[in-house]
Amino acid sequence: GDSVTQMEGPVTLSEEAFLTINCTYTATGYPSLFWYVQYPGEGLQLLLKATKADDKGSNKGFEATYRKETTSFHLEKGSVQVSDSAVYFCALAGGTSYGKLTFGQGTILTVHP
Amino acid sequence: SAVISQKPSRDICQRGTSLTIQCQVDSQVTMMFWYRQQPGQSLTLIATANQGSEATYESGFVIDKFPISRPNLTFSTLTVSNMSPEDSSIYLCSVERDSGANVLTFGAGSRLTVL
Repeated sequence: GDSVTQMEGPVTLSEEAFLTINCTYTATGYPSLFWYVQYPGEGLQLLLKATKADDKGSNKGFEATYRKETTSFHLEKGSVQVSDSAVYFCALAGGTSYGKLTFGQGTILTVHP
Repeated sequence: SAVISQKPSRDICQRGTSLTIQCQVDSQVTMMFWYRQQPGQSLTLIATANQGSEATYESGFVIDKFPISRPNLTFSTLTVSNMSPEDSSIYLCSVERDSGANVLTFGAGSRLTVL
């Protein structure tokens, strides 16, 4: 079945540091890939997505590229801010699914001033 | 995008009791989805709630344990029945934001602790 593996956290960075959160997946067919973010006390929000190989999703300075050859969708940001402190989830939607996302275990990011 | 309200936001429950979680959406949606996030785990889809028909449950989840109602296009409830400490989780309601895009909007979740 489909699965998503994220790098284990928590991740602690200083403000303006470079961020990478690794995500790899296993799926049949051609899934869509997502990064969701959960800020303290709030629901999950879509951060970015990519629907086919070599697509780059981007939002709020975050980027991730759909790499079919390495089955990866790593999240990156060049300069993190304290306000980026949150839990980040990588997820995929299989080609035949509807509303069924397979999530990674989440990575807690804490950014210090 | 849709605004989703869930209640309760959190509750502490006794073993053997049942609790119903409500989910209200500010616009009409065809399908609503219920997810569970166990402590330290990722999110798992419990079931899809369709208006006018029975919910569709994922493997490992059954209607007797998690009965779902969907009386109209903006509202759904999930009941966690005969609770045990293993049911301590965050339960999240979600809807598809862009039709056919598999992009989900989530409520803030209901955190249940079973003693």
